[in-house]
Amino acid sequence: QQQVKQSPQSLIVQKGGISIINCAYENTAFDYFPWYQQFPGKGPALLIAIRPDVSEKKEGRFTISFNKSAKQFSLHIMDSQPGDSATYFCAASLSGTYKYIFGTGTRLKVLA
Amino acid sequence: SAVISQKPSRDICQRGTSLTIQCQVDSQVTMMFWYRQQPGQSLTLIATANQGSEATYESGFVIDKFPISRPNLTFSTLTVSNMSPEDSSIYLCSAGSGISYEQYFGPGTRLTVT
Repeated sequence: QQQVKQSPQSLIVQKGGISIINCAYENTAFDYFPWYQQFPGKGPALLIAIRPDVSEKKEGRFTISFNKSAKQFSLHIMDSQPGDSATYFCAASLSGTYKYIFGTGTRLKVLA
Repeated sequence: SAVISQKPSRDICQRGTSLTIQCQVDSQVTMMFWYRQQPGQSLTLIATANQGSEATYESGFVIDKFPISRPNLTFSTLTVSNMSPEDSSIYLCSAGSGISYEQYFGPGTRLTVT
């Protein structure tokens, strides 16, 4: 019940295309859902995050879609660029704990 | 946001020895955490570093193996004790204000145990 399931494990997208990564959870006590981007040899960098009272949040080319009833959320990267090639992690935080449970990660490759 | 630095960035250690990793935040933060990440894998929370009190460990992690200190609101250390090759991993520090849920990560310490 504490897991966050992430798919796909890897993704190849053409430059200019849309990258979509999905996450699902079971525990309704999760109340904060961030996405992180990690380049090789670097720490994860916070990209965008959402609370369950919002169905969508957009920041630049990055959009989170949130479906509370389905307990699913997804990251959309519009106009994907080779510089977006990285590993992406979704996470969920248990209400009041500030602790994160991470998904398994998605390795994105954007072809030039 | 917070800027976080870690020392060392990498190390190669002998089996049976201990290594202390330092985490420094550029501003006072309420929350500090330590994670472990196997190469190519996800992040697993080791413990919450509590300022002025003992750290709170997650299931599968114990204080004797991973002692943590948090002497003030900007600094924490994680020690990996009596190391074995299975401890080879990337160790990451993160910090959050405790007001929002945002966490910011350091660059990580890549540990190899031989």
